[in-house]
Amino acid sequence: EDKVVQSPLSLVVHEGDTVTLNCSYEVTNFRSLLWYKQEKKAPTFLFMLTSSGIEKKSGRLSSILDKKELSSILNITATQTGDSAIYLCAVEAYSGAGSYQLTFGKGTKLSVIP
Amino acid sequence: EAGVTQFPSHSVIEKGQTVTLRCDPISGHDNLYWYRRVMGKEIKFLLHFVKESKQDESGMPNNRFLAERTGGTYSTLKVQPAELEDSGVYFCASSPRRLAGRTDTQYFGPGTRLTVL
Repeated sequence: EDKVVQSPLSLVVHEGDTVTLNCSYEVTNFRSLLWYKQEKKAPTFLFMLTSSGIEKKSGRLSSILDKKELSSILNITATQTGDSAIYLCAVEAYSGAGSYQLTFGKGTKLSVIP
Repeated sequence: EAGVTQFPSHSVIEKGQTVTLRCDPISGHDNLYWYRRVMGKEIKFLLHFVKESKQDESGMPNNRFLAERTGGTYSTLKVQPAELEDSGVYFCASSPRRLAGRTDTQYFGPGTRLTVL
């Protein structure tokens, strides 16, 4: 069974700190790895990673995939209180039933305090 | 562009009753997915529609769950009869038509919180 593990489960930091969130996976028929941010309701898309070693950046957020280590990290620099959220890692893989499924980790709850 | 919407936001029902959840995907998105998050667990895939056809329903827990997408637009997920373990947050996501060899981002709705008492 496909599996995605995120660590830590929860993190509390002060504004201005830099954080690194981890995601490791065991899936067959890997296609891509996605990061989502969930504040109150809908998970919102951050990054999609398909190639190993290529960093994707968006403002203070960046992410990279390591297919050899079957893992990804999400970095947030100079954190702000608005970064407080649950960060979800999901891996897209072919299900064998004619479809691509997302397998999610439990998420990392980030709390940024002033 | 409107995002994925779900109705209701929260539903509280008693064990044995029936509940129908609705998802309106982003206009023009052929792919529609249902997911569920049970308390303390990760979000789990339930099923995938391509237009009105069920492409993959391997994640549906049992035959008390029935999903439909008549006309290939909005989708409903009916739970009948509901059991206590069905409580959780039900998410819907949509993505554009998948082209060969291409990966499309799934955009999520806000979820419907279902509480079965």
